[in-house]
Amino acid sequence: NAGVTQTPKFQVLKTGQSMTLQCAQDMNHNSMYWYRQDPGMGLRLIYYSASEGTTDKGEVPNGYNVSRLNKREFSLRLESAAPSQTSVYFCASSRPGTASYEQYFGPGTRLTVT
Amino acid sequence: AQTVTQSQPEMSVQEAETVTLSCTYDTSESNYYLFWYKQPPSRQMILVIRQEAYKQQNATENRFSVNFQKAAKSFSLKISDSQLGDTAMYFCAFTNRDDKIIFGKGTRLHILP
Repeated sequence: NAGVTQTPKFQVLKTGQSMTLQCAQDMNHNSMYWYRQDPGMGLRLIYYSASEGTTDKGEVPNGYNVSRLNKREFSLRLESAAPSQTSVYFCASSRPGTASYEQYFGPGTRLTVT
Repeated sequence: AQTVTQSQPEMSVQEAETVTLSCTYDTSESNYYLFWYKQPPSRQMILVIRQEAYKQQNATENRFSVNFQKAAKSFSLKISDSQLGDTAMYFCAFTNRDDKIIFGKGTRLHILP
């Protein structure tokens, strides 16, 4: 099992450019998540998807859109990138209702917006 | 709203020593889960230990153990016989089983040779 995979690992954008971060999991998890990590801020939830076809806003959704393409894939789109979106982005998945409730994380994408 | 607070932004200890990382949380729920995640320089988030609130017994995983004080809403992590590979950022996290996990801001731990 690959677990949770993310592409790309690194990306540099100019202000106003758009891009999509891809995430896939092969653990048959129902729930998937997008976080951003900034120094001193911990991980903050951007969007999550409790099941295929549903998405909900997290703590910091402004400037982002998401798509739950199928059970495996959950993408994050920046329509018009801003320097404030410079961050490390993590995708995660979980299967709530199981004994653990833990989330499994991808390796992260470091995004720089200039 | 649920919150998770880690009061120690950064700590340093000598190799082989024992270190305790603090975490407090706020919730009105009675049944929930608590976690400690480790993030080494590789950036990968790794689950270290998990505690279910309805279990009185403190969780342990090899050199890692927790001190769970439900009434005080405290969940500290103890690392015994610390090793250089324990150098990482450590995040305390909470879920009340509603599909979301709330993370603290992290404690950066340095293990010194």
